[in-house]
Amino acid sequence: KQEVTQIPAALSVPEGENLVLNCSFTDSAIYNLQWFRQDPGKGLTSLLLIQSSQREQTSGRLNASLDKSSGRSTLYIAASQPGDSATYLCAVGNTGKLIFGQGTTLQVKP
Amino acid sequence: EAQVTQNPRYLITVTGKKLTVTCSQNMNHEYMSWYRQDPGLGLRQIYYSMNVEVTDKGDVPEGYKVSRKEKRNFPLILESPSPNQTSLYFCASSFRPRADTQYFGPGTRLTVL
Repeated sequence: KQEVTQIPAALSVPEGENLVLNCSFTDSAIYNLQWFRQDPGKGLTSLLLIQSSQREQTSGRLNASLDKSSGRSTLYIAASQPGDSATYLCAVGNTGKLIFGQGTTLQVKP
Repeated sequence: EAQVTQNPRYLITVTGKKLTVTCSQNMNHEYMSWYRQDPGLGLRQIYYSMNVEVTDKGDVPEGYKVSRKEKRNFPLILESPSPNQTSLYFCASSFRPRADTQYFGPGTRLTVL
């Protein structure tokens, strides 16, 4: 059974730092991996989608990488800002199923 | 505006009283899915639908029913709600689950007394 783990569970950094969020999964038979952002009391917003054949995707200050063979993905956030404070979730997809990690709650202090 | 809508946004009900949470998308997406989010357990998939009249179980389907009679709507039905179904529910949709990002609705907070 696919299991998705995110480390760390929480992270607090000063504004301007570059940071890395980690996601690992146990079964490499995935179609894609997505990173989402969730603000308190709100729904999820998709940040990046990486297909299983791809190694990385970039959007603005965000860069996500995927290493299927080792079952790992990282989300790199450059020059963090207080507005980046949120919970970040990774999810692996296979056919119609989507399995989520527990998330990393990020706080960026001014 | 492209969006996924859910109704109601908040609902308090009692054990055993049948309820339906509606989900609608205006993006002509083929794929739709329901999730529940619980503290300490994260987001778990309840049911998904690859297209009209095609539905399948996710990881936690017990106690729930779904139907997909038309492309834009994917209601979640709780025939006899129980307190352990108290949760935050999200609906999501995408063109193709393999290749496209999922768009999430705003969530429905359900409390079953």
